[in-house]
Order: sequence, then C-alpha cells, then structure tokens
Amino acid sequence: KQEVTQIPAALSVPEGENLVLNCSFTDSAIYNLQWFRQDPGKGLTSLLLIQSSQREQTSGRLNASLDKSSGRSTLYIAASQPGDSATYLCAVKGLDSGGYQKVTFGTGTKLQVIP
Amino acid sequence: AAGVIQSPRHLIKEKRETATLKCYPIPRHDTVYWYQQGPGQDPQFLISFYEKMQSDKGSIPDRFSAQQFSDYHSELNMSSLELGDSALYFCASSETSGGADEQFFGPGTRLTVL
Repeated sequence: KQEVTQIPAALSVPEGENLVLNCSFTDSAIYNLQWFRQDPGKGLTSLLLIQSSQREQTSGRLNASLDKSSGRSTLYIAASQPGDSATYLCAVKGLDSGGYQKVTFGTGTKLQVIP
Repeated sequence: AAGVIQSPRHLIKEKRETATLKCYPIPRHDTVYWYQQGPGQDPQFLISFYEKMQSDKGSIPDRFSAQQFSDYHSELNMSSLELGDSALYFCASSETSGGADEQFFGPGTRLTVL
C-alpha cells in the first residue's frame, strides 16, 4: 500500500527565505507526482507535475525534483513571500494492489511566511 | 481558461438522506476523479472515470456511487448519509490520453450532515 509522508508538517519562515518541502513515498512504481497548494477551506491549485521519467520541473520561483528510486521529491521555493502561505500537498499516482490506478496524497506541510 | 465546475458549493443534509454532487470537467479532459477531504485531513481518492467508464476505485463506500455522462459531466450519489460523511468533496479532471495527466481541481462541495 502506497504511503506518502511530508516533512515538516508545519514550517514558519521570514519573508525572502528559500525553503525546501519534502515528500516521501514507499512504492517507487509511480506514474507521476504532483505538487499542490491549498488555502484554508479552498480547492487545490496545481503547482508542478513531474512524470516518472523526469527528474525535475520548474515554474517561476518553484522547482520540484523527483528521485523515484529513493522515493523522494522536494519542492524548492525561492525568495518566499507572504502570499506563499498555504498548505502544500504532494500526490503520487500509481497502482494499488488490485491493479487499479490510485492517487495518494501526502499529509501536507503547512507553510507560514512571515512579513 | 475554463476550470472544473462543481455544484452545489454547499449542501446541508440530514442523516439517512441522499445527496447528489455534480462535476463539470475542463473541456477535452477525458478523466474525472472524485476525492473526499475530511477536516484537517488530506484528500482521499474515491473513484475515477476515463472516457465515461469507471476506471479506478479508491476508498469509496458502498453507499456511494458515481457515473459519468455522455457530455462528460460526472455525478457522485451518496445515500444513507452519516455524520462522518461531512467533508469537502473535490472533483478533478485531467487529459490522460495525449496529455500530461495533470490534475486540475474544482472548488469543492462542502457537505454537512446533521
């Protein structure tokens, strides 16, 4: 059974700092990994999608890497801003024991960027 | 750009009642997903459809059913509602065939069961 863990669970940084969020998964047989942000009570906004054959993806101040063999992904946020404050979730798409495709979300990292 | 549309945005039901949630995917997206997110929890995958056929099944209770129609919109039917069904229900869509399979989420339906 795929398990996805995110560390740290919460993070508070001063504005302008660079930071790294971690995502670990137990089953490396994945199709892709996607990073999202979620504001309180709101929907999920897609940030970056990394296919299983890719090593990293970049969008603006965000860079996500994937090391499938070790079951790890990192989301790097450069020059953090107060508007980056949100919960960040990683989601892994793979197969479950029944051969069905399944998306498993991590536990999330709640980020607060202090002005 | 068009996004995923969900309706209603809020729904209040009594125990043992039935609820129907609707999802309209992004045009040309061929896959629809349903998720349940309880308070303070991460989203749990319920079920997905690819080209109007059920493709994958997650932790969807037997009291729930879903289908995708010819116009690609999807409905999640929930019967014999329980207090524990109170949650945010998200629909997402993606372009699996010929696309990157990136999921885009709707704003969610907040279901409260009293």
